[in-house]
Amino acid sequence: DVKVTQSSRYLVKRTGEKVFLECVQDMDHENMFWYRQDPGLGLRLIYFSYDVKMKEKGDIPEGYSVSREKKERFSLILESASTNQTSMYLCASSLYGGGINEQFFGPGTRLTVL
Amino acid sequence: KNEVEQSPQNLTAQEGEFITINCSYSVGISALHWLQQHPGGGIVSLFMLSSGKKKHGRLIATINIQEKHSSLHITASHPRDSAVYICAVLETSGSARQLTFGSGTQLTVLP
Repeated sequence: DVKVTQSSRYLVKRTGEKVFLECVQDMDHENMFWYRQDPGLGLRLIYFSYDVKMKEKGDIPEGYSVSREKKERFSLILESASTNQTSMYLCASSLYGGGINEQFFGPGTRLTVL
Repeated sequence: KNEVEQSPQNLTAQEGEFITINCSYSVGISALHWLQQHPGGGIVSLFMLSSGKKKHGRLIATINIQEKHSSLHITASHPRDSAVYICAVLETSGSARQLTFGSGTQLTVLP
C-alpha cells in the first residue's frame, strides 16, 4: 500500500526558531512536493524535487528551503520561523511528471508559530 | 498562470441527494485532478482526467475541454462523503510538474 508519512501531525514553534519538517515515501517515487494550505487560498506549492539533490522553486518559496539527500526523503526547512508561516503543510509524491500522474499526499503537519 | 475557480464554496445536502461540484479554469490544460480531503488533513486522489468522463462507484467526474469546465457528481450522498473536494489542473504549457489548485468546496451531508 502506498504511503507518504510526515514527521509530525502538530508542531508549535517560536518566532525565529529553525524548523524541520520531514516527509518520507515508500513508493520509489521520483517527484516529491511540499505545499502549504491556508483557508480560502487552497494548496500552494512551496518547492518540489524531481530527483535526489534536485529542487525547484514553486509559487511561494520565500522563507523556506528544502533538502533531498535520499530519494525517499524530502525535508522542508524554515530557517527562521515567522508567525505568517503558521499553516498546514502537506507533502506529496508522484512517480514522475507531477501533474500527469496521481499525487499521493501525506497526512499533513499543522504548524503554529508563536 | 491558470486560475481555478470552484463552486459552490460550501454545500450542505441531505443524505441521498445528488450532488454536483463545479470547477472552471482559465487556460488550456493537459490534466485535471479531483481530490478529497477529510477533517484532519489527509488528501486522497479521486480522479485524474483529461477528457470525457470517469466513474468510481457513486462518484462521477466529467470534463469539457472546450468550455474549460469540470464537474464532480456524487450520487446517493452519504454523511461519510462530508469532506472538502479540491480541483487541481496541470497547464498544457509551462512546468509539467506543477498543479494549480482551487480553494476547495466544503461538503456536508446530513443524515
